[in-house]
Amino acid sequence: QQQVKQSPQSLIVQKGGISIINCAYENTAFDYFPWYQQFPGKGPALLIAIRPDVSEKKEGRFTISFNKSAKQFSLHIMDSQPGDSATYFCAATDMRFGAGTRLTVKP
Amino acid sequence: DAGVTQSPTHLIKTRGQHVTLRCSPISGHKSVSWYQQVLGQGPQFIFQYYEKEERGRGNFPDRFSARQFPNYSSELNVNALLLGDSALYLCASSRTTGIGELFFGEGSRLTVL
Repeated sequence: QQQVKQSPQSLIVQKGGISIINCAYENTAFDYFPWYQQFPGKGPALLIAIRPDVSEKKEGRFTISFNKSAKQFSLHIMDSQPGDSATYFCAATDMRFGAGTRLTVKP
Repeated sequence: DAGVTQSPTHLIKTRGQHVTLRCSPISGHKSVSWYQQVLGQGPQFIFQYYEKEERGRGNFPDRFSARQFPNYSSELNVNALLLGDSALYLCASSRTTGIGELFFGEGSRLTVL
């Protein structure tokens, strides 16, 4: 049923590096693309979101890049920190989540 | 302000039993959604309720049902439990049914033996 494909499944990045997580969707009717961050034992928390009328959105160290024609979007975490170590989920609308990426940032 | 609260936090059931999970949304939020998160996977949408009416349903069997009360709290019921129902059940609230920020609770961890 997964209509949003997320990769990679896991990612290890050095402190200060750039973390990149990619997602692809199928349904062109989707018009809202949030990213959620989930720490162990906690529920997901909204990190940043984008609508398809823009190609990029930046909030602090977090940037979403959106390619409407390719039906792909990605999350870039600049200057990654150990505190960013968590599982990240992309989503299309509020109902279709990717399988998640476990990010580990090594000090 | 209190966030989304869910109860119980953990529970163990056996196959064939019934379970009721409860959720209290953030004050002022009228929409509640339920998700199932199997270990290592993303949340799977089960239901959305707004103003006590079902506004969306995911691809789950009829053993799953839910309702929303006048105070906007919600219950998720699962009948005839199967081993595969073992998961973290997440509740999320939002102000409306429209696309927007979901606020998740910490979930109810259900183990079916």
